[in-house]
Amino acid sequence: AQSVTQPDIHITVSEGASLELRCNYSYGATPYLFWYVQSPGQGLQLLLKYFSGDTLVQGIKGFEAEFKRSQSSFNLRKPSVHWSDAAEYFCAVDPNTGFQKLVFGTGTRLLVSP
Amino acid sequence: DTAVSQTPKYLVTQMGNDKSIKCEQNLGHDTMYWYKQDSKKFLKIMFSYNNKELIINETVPNRFSPKSPDKAHLNLHINSLELGDSAVYFCATSGRPNTEAFFGQGTRLTVV
Repeated sequence: AQSVTQPDIHITVSEGASLELRCNYSYGATPYLFWYVQSPGQGLQLLLKYFSGDTLVQGIKGFEAEFKRSQSSFNLRKPSVHWSDAAEYFCAVDPNTGFQKLVFGTGTRLLVSP
Repeated sequence: DTAVSQTPKYLVTQMGNDKSIKCEQNLGHDTMYWYKQDSKKFLKIMFSYNNKELIINETVPNRFSPKSPDKAHLNLHINSLELGDSAVYFCATSGRPNTEAFFGQGTRLTVV
């Protein structure tokens, strides 16, 4: 079945440490890929996106993500986490079927410890 | 000036009532959406409209009726509210095809 998987429900990282959030998708063609962040009580903010081209994409707030076709993955990374990064992170896929819509993963809650 | 604004932000109502959530965007986008986020934070698309025309209806109960009076507005009307309708409802918009979606702040609906 077509799906987006974020295998980690929670991740705790020390402030200043590096971060990697995993995302895998199962769609036949290469979909469009996104990472969104949701702070408590807030809407979703786009961190970065991949449509084509360079497989390493840079986003806002120091985040980057790498598209790996062979692994059907689009993992989010940050070299040094700040306390303000604590939030819920969603990987999303537009299956590129001609009808624009986002299919979301189940989210990963990031906790940042002092 | 908020790009995608929803009203109200919070809505508490009794079972069986009818309620509406409004969404307005000032981005000039052609496509608008409603997404539902359940208590486990799972987000799922409900509807999408393109230039006031319904494009996607993801097997949502017909108690939910979206209405787009113009390109800048997409409202969601819910009849006969049920406990299971409690969720956060997000409006979103996107511009030309294959671009990112911009989300509103959400409306937290609580049915008691």
